[in-house]
Amino acid sequence: QKEVEQDPGPLSVPEGAIVSLNCTYSNSAFQYFMWYRQYSRKGPELLMYTYSSGNKEDGRFTAQVDKSSKYISLFIRDSQPSDSATYLCAMRKYSGGGADGLTFGKGTHLIIQP
Amino acid sequence: SAVISQKPSRDICQRGTSLTIQCQVDSQVTMMFWYRQQPGQSLTLIATANQGSEATYESGFVIDKFPISRPNLTFSTLTVSNMSPEDSSIYLCSVEVPANYGYTFGSGTRLTVV
Repeated sequence: QKEVEQDPGPLSVPEGAIVSLNCTYSNSAFQYFMWYRQYSRKGPELLMYTYSSGNKEDGRFTAQVDKSSKYISLFIRDSQPSDSATYLCAMRKYSGGGADGLTFGKGTHLIIQP
Repeated sequence: SAVISQKPSRDICQRGTSLTIQCQVDSQVTMMFWYRQQPGQSLTLIATANQGSEATYESGFVIDKFPISRPNLTFSTLTVSNMSPEDSSIYLCSVEVPANYGYTFGSGTRLTVV
């Protein structure tokens, strides 16, 4: 079993719809959770960062973390064609000193139909 | 947040040769991270480069194959040695952004080995 599971899609939705993207993880040592957006031939771009269980909102994006279920979500409201990209969940353990690398899901390819 | 310049953006190389990828950050950072993104796969951490010390490699990656240099706090190189077609991938460098606890990525190096 991979440490982080993410459905690769593709996920195709009409413009204006609410998009729900999800990841599950198996290692309870993960304490920091991130969502990245990656356009074709570009590096990943950080969208959301969360630490505690609960919701965090930033504009049209809401990140949700449920540590008890080892489940994280990203919601996109009023989706637009420019949101079409691959969305990657990423996680980091807490080591107590220094920065650690991230563990990523495979990424979900999202297509917003005009 | 930090801006990362990564070179080359892409290259086509002959098997058995080596390629050195450069990563330049516009601010001083303690740690730099190197990832590999194979087609259809997650971003996978190769190694962590700390200035002034040997890089720390993840399971499945060895120094002889992926030597890393970190001569100062703004620069690092990753060499892919004795390449085979299985090394065809996107290689990305990344740094932590303490202000928002996320990580910034370069735009990546798309490597094709023929």
